[in-house]
Amino acid sequence: GAGVSQSPRYKVAKRGQDVALRCDPISGHVSLFWYQQALGQGPEFLTYFQNEAQLDKSGLPSDRFFAERPEGSVSTLKIQRTQQEDSAVYLCASSYASSRGLAGAVYNEQFFGPGTRLTVL
Amino acid sequence: AQTVTQSQPEMSVQEAETVTLSCTYDTSESDYYLFWYKQPPSRQMILVIRQEAYKQQNATENRFSVNFQKAAKSFSLKISDSQLGDAAMYFCAYNAGGTSYGKLTFGQGTILTVHP
Repeated sequence: GAGVSQSPRYKVAKRGQDVALRCDPISGHVSLFWYQQALGQGPEFLTYFQNEAQLDKSGLPSDRFFAERPEGSVSTLKIQRTQQEDSAVYLCASSYASSRGLAGAVYNEQFFGPGTRLTVL
Repeated sequence: AQTVTQSQPEMSVQEAETVTLSCTYDTSESDYYLFWYKQPPSRQMILVIRQEAYKQQNATENRFSVNFQKAAKSFSLKISDSQLGDAAMYFCAYNAGGTSYGKLTFGQGTILTVHP
């Protein structure tokens, strides 16, 4: 089947505008992650969903960032009143289940989407 | 908090030669996973290799192998017989085991250039 898809691939916003970024995970994947990747840097964790439950939003940089996954499949990352420092690539990743660190447990690989490159002018 | 450090912003290698990318990490956990991801220009991040901390044997995937030194908290990636298609940004990443759900902490990345 298809991999993780994200839309739009590119988004240009004027400072102060609201944007919505969409992620379509691989069908049947329980876990969904959002990461923010600044130019030339490694991705940084934003938030995590297990099905429709948002279990960790510790990485969201401010209350202007909001994510949802209402039916446990598609997820949307919304940024309100965008600022120039929000310019980055936003990556979505999904995995079949949550990993466990028990010896012998199988780690469920995270599959990444192509990202949405957001430029705030 | 866990941190991952890649001290080589850029590396280069001749085609068919071997190159090693370095990574160190800091954690107080005893159970965790380490990964190397490859991100080609304008393409998706893909998993290259993973290492479970409880395993003493170094992971190997075809031309890719790791040198995992748990006491030193070092996790380097060796690419043998380098190919032009290996050119990409490489990220070292960490995931705590135990009750963790898979959240990844990434290093800053190393740009690998492969010369023909």
